[in-house]
Amino acid sequence: GAGVSQSPSNKVTEKGKDVELRCDPISGHTALYWYRQSLGQGLEFLIYFQGNSAPDKSGLPSDRFSAERTGGSVSTLTIQRTQQEDSAVYLCASRDRGQETQYFGPGTRLLVL
Amino acid sequence: QKEVEQNSGPLSVPEGAIASLNCTYSDRGSQSFFWYRQYSGKSPELIMFIYSNGDKEDGRFTAQLNKASQYVSLLIRDSQPSDSATYLCAVGTGRRALTFGSGTRLQVQP
Repeated sequence: GAGVSQSPSNKVTEKGKDVELRCDPISGHTALYWYRQSLGQGLEFLIYFQGNSAPDKSGLPSDRFSAERTGGSVSTLTIQRTQQEDSAVYLCASRDRGQETQYFGPGTRLLVL
Repeated sequence: QKEVEQNSGPLSVPEGAIASLNCTYSDRGSQSFFWYRQYSGKSPELIMFIYSNGDKEDGRFTAQLNKASQYVSLLIRDSQPSDSATYLCAVGTGRRALTFGSGTRLQVQP
């Protein structure tokens, strides 16, 4: 079946602009995660959605970052007033109910000039 | 102290040898442990997970967990050049999100 998909695959933007990154989880998966991976680094947790519960936003680095998940499926991560330090690969993962394993999408490579 | 620590490497082993990758974690309440493989420019893919103390084998891969010592390791037998990648250790602590180490880069020399 289809895996996690993300769009765009690459995004180049200018400092100060807003960007939106999209994630389509595996069909039927109730949990959705956003992570960030800077060059040569591990994954940094950003935000987690589980069903209709309030999202866990504890990993968001600043109030410029926000995310929503519409209809319990597709999620959008928005970064306002982008900064050069926001340049990274943004990875989305989904997980099935009752399971521990997260499956990752291909990521969006964001470059802020 | 980082929550999940890994040696960044590179760990270089000859083809056919056993590669041993190690990971330590700080939260004694950690419940689930994962090894992901990440090729350069690609997203992480799951290799194995382990929940209980001891060994878990899957083909050429063996995960080992020692909760008392708070370490988890991954052994790769008969290493192949195609195993060359960064291996990420991830720990689930019941906070719903996984905590990842920064990864160990493995190089298998032909």
